[in-house]
Amino acid sequence: NAGVTQTPKFRILKIGQSMTLQCTQDMNHNYMYWYRQDPGMGLKLIYYSVGAGITDKGEVPNGYNVSRSTTEDFPLRLELAAPSQTSVYFCASSSYPIHGPQHFGDGTRLSIL
Amino acid sequence: KQEVTQIPAALSVPEGENLVLNCSFTDSAIYNLQWFRQDPGKGLTSLLLIQSSQREQTSGRLNASLDKSSGRSTLYIAASQPGDSATYLCAVSQGGSEKLVFGKGTKLTVNP
Repeated sequence: NAGVTQTPKFRILKIGQSMTLQCTQDMNHNYMYWYRQDPGMGLKLIYYSVGAGITDKGEVPNGYNVSRSTTEDFPLRLELAAPSQTSVYFCASSSYPIHGPQHFGDGTRLSIL
Repeated sequence: KQEVTQIPAALSVPEGENLVLNCSFTDSAIYNLQWFRQDPGKGLTSLLLIQSSQREQTSGRLNASLDKSSGRSTLYIAASQPGDSATYLCAVSQGGSEKLVFGKGTKLTVNP
């Protein structure tokens, strides 16, 4: 049972480069989320989606974009990478609104140099 | 603005000890509170979810309580084991908000 799968696991980018973090879930969950976790800090919500074709901003959306063309996939795109975007990125999904338990992927560790 | 605080930031105990992790939040108008476990290099695993109308939830050796009026939750771990070593995070959700607000976590080490 795969759950939430994130790729890649690690990535180093140069300042100004762009990349897409992939997230796929096989639980047929309608709700999906992207968080970032900085060292010693809690998770902060970047973007979320309540279903295919519907996305909305979270607490820290600047510098990121998302799309949700299918129920399974929720990619996060970084445009013009900056050192402040060095972080661990987690994708999560749930079968309920935010008020239900969320299932997390193992994260993507991203360094911007 | 909702703020979630977890104290202590780190805790080290000998195997077999019962322990309590604390979580406090500033706005009592929450919909639910969740406790997660995070192992190094891994994502979060949901342990317990307490709805605002509930006082506690239990799963095996874990018991989470919620006192919404005082803005506090505790996670009780009975007979701790080295395998319980991890970071424990609590998060609250509020009605009308699609956002979970997380604490910074308590790093637990259980020594054999």
